[in-house]
This record gives sequence, C-alpha cells and structure tokens, in this order.
Amino acid sequence: EPEVTQTPSHQVTQMGQEVILRCVPISNHLYFYWYRQILGQKVEFLVSFYNNEISEKSEIFDDQFSVERPDGSNFTLKIRSTKLEDSAMYFCASSDGARELFFGEGSRLTVL
Amino acid sequence: QKEVEQNSGPLSVPEGAIASLNCTYSDRVSQSFFWYRQYSGKSPELIMSIYSNGDKEDGRFTAQLNKASQYVSLLIRDSQPSDSATYLCAVRGYTNAGKSTFGDGTTLTVKP
Repeated sequence: EPEVTQTPSHQVTQMGQEVILRCVPISNHLYFYWYRQILGQKVEFLVSFYNNEISEKSEIFDDQFSVERPDGSNFTLKIRSTKLEDSAMYFCASSDGARELFFGEGSRLTVL
Repeated sequence: QKEVEQNSGPLSVPEGAIASLNCTYSDRVSQSFFWYRQYSGKSPELIMSIYSNGDKEDGRFTAQLNKASQYVSLLIRDSQPSDSATYLCAVRGYTNAGKSTFGDGTTLTVKP
C-alpha cells in the first residue's frame, strides 16, 4: 500500500539551528501539507502546497518556515532558526485532491 | 468558540459495548468530515470519511453527519481493547488544497 514517508524520525537540535524535515508523498498525489502536534495538544495545520506553490498557510507558518519540492518527489519543511517552542511532532500529509489526507509517521523535533 | 469541538474525554467503555464520539464544527461551508484514530506517539490514521448528510457504515464503524446542526459523530460497535486510542475529528472546506482543521481529540479506553 502506498504511504507517505518522512525522515528523520527524530531530530535533536540546538536553539537557533536550521532544521530540514523531509517527506516523500504518495507518488500520484498532487497536494501536500505539513501539520504539527505539540505534545499533548491537537494537530495544527501549517501549510498546504500545490502546483509548486503555497496554497494556504497558518499564522504559525511565519518567516522562519519555508517549504520546497526540490526534485518532484521530496517535499521539505525548513525551519531557519529553531526556537524551544518549535519542539513538536511534524506530520507530512498528501492528497490526490479527492479530499482525504494521508499522513506520514511524523518527525519528532526536539529543540534544546 | 473552537472551530472543531469534540466531546471531552476520556471515554471508557467495556469490551463489546458501543462507543459514541461526537464533534461539532463552526464553519458552515465545511464540506468534508473525517475521523482519524491516533495511537500514542503515532500519526493520525484515517478510519472514516463522510461528505453528505446521513449515515455511512464501514465494518464496526458508523459515521453520522448532520450539516444543519453542524454535527458529526462516530459510533464504534462491539468495541475492542485495540480500539483504545485518541479519536480526532477533522473538518475541511470546499477547496481541494484546503486545510483540515482538527479537534482536540477524545481518548477512548475499551476495558476487557
């Protein structure tokens, strides 16, 4: 069964460092998303991406965040200068446009 | 008012019983409604989607939607200990790239 894959599964970084989280969406999907979930809290939307551009972003997705689809398969989330409050599980999701989202296993980011 | 509100948990039912999970949403233009199951430390797993008023059944799961009341529910029949998880209600607007908004989740425990 096709699945969304994410790397790394866990990353520990120092505050102020740049982090790149990677995702390989399901191959025939056209819509890509990043969500995050702070421990014990709800799943929050960060950004959606379609046709090589951002479709929608939340207020969480400030100038420290960026997304890219550099090679037609990977979909990346970059955090330029991490803060303690960026510690969370980051989920990539993809959709073929038929409404349903399929999530990857997540990347846990710990900022020290 | 929260955009997506779920009945507060935790919810505990005996094995074999029916578990009832409820969700209300505030945006009347919402078109797509989803129930995800999330085990601790894992990613959300789609278990049901519903788009039109009425009931939709899939095995032991039944989703019910009432757009006039802005209400969606999930019934789990013959609950099993393996159903113990947090259930997330998610609501999506009318665009293909639109974000899904999640509720806080209801934690279900099925006791053997």
